Amino acid sequence: QVHLVQSGAEVKKPGASVEVSCKASGYTFSIYTIHWVRQAPGQRLEWLGCINADNGDSKISQDFQGRVKLSRDTSAKTVSMELSSLRSEDSALYYCAKDGAAVYPAYWFDLWGQGTLVTVSS
Amino acid sequence: EIVMTQSPDILSLSPGDRATLSCRASQSVTSNVAWYQKKPGQAPRLLIFGASTRATGIPGRFSGSGSGTDFILTITSLQIEDFAIYYCQQYHNWPPGVTFGPGTKVDIK
Repeated sequence: QVHLVQSGAEVKKPGASVEVSCKASGYTFSIYTIHWVRQAPGQRLEWLGCINADNGDSKISQDFQGRVKLSRDTSAKTVSMELSSLRSEDSALYYCAKDGAAVYPAYWFDLWGQGTLVTVSS
Repeated sequence: EIVMTQSPDILSLSPGDRATLSCRASQSVTSNVAWYQKKPGQAPRLLIFGASTRATGIPGRFSGSGSGTDFILTITSLQIEDFAIYYCQQYHNWPPGVTFGPGTKVDIK
């Protein structure tokens, strides 16, 4: 069975950083790009960026440049997303999602993690 | 940034009805549109990519059409499990990458 399993909910103070992990199973980890998408309450889905699971190259949305860092551990089949300088508007459900195309990403997502709730509050 | 809009905001229908959901891009995205279904407490589920290609395991009652700036998701004969929110997404070019529409909620009349 193909799965993406994310780490648990986080509560952080403004200005802090948060790291969310995403563990893949059931498919060849290295040949698919992993994306990160979030949804704040009442808002539309928002793409943060993606990482090539093979070589670690990442692309970050201009809206999150300088605040999002993506990494991967190929031996653990895990991708992580770190969001820094947190503010209340970053409170959202964060998803990892697998790209639908092997090797060269197509930027549509055929498998999603269960979501990780990040709450930013003083 | 390419802005995606969807209409209507809410579609109230009965089981067995046909649902027609619209999505419009602020500039041409050729056929680079995907559709997702989202239910409360669940992750989004891919329905359609490439504007009209059904994803693996998606029932034939779901179909997508359109190109350029205007796209349609059609659900023929709504089933109880189809009542959900539907999002369109464009993935045309980089930058800026990927953007989503605000969603259309299909609820039971």
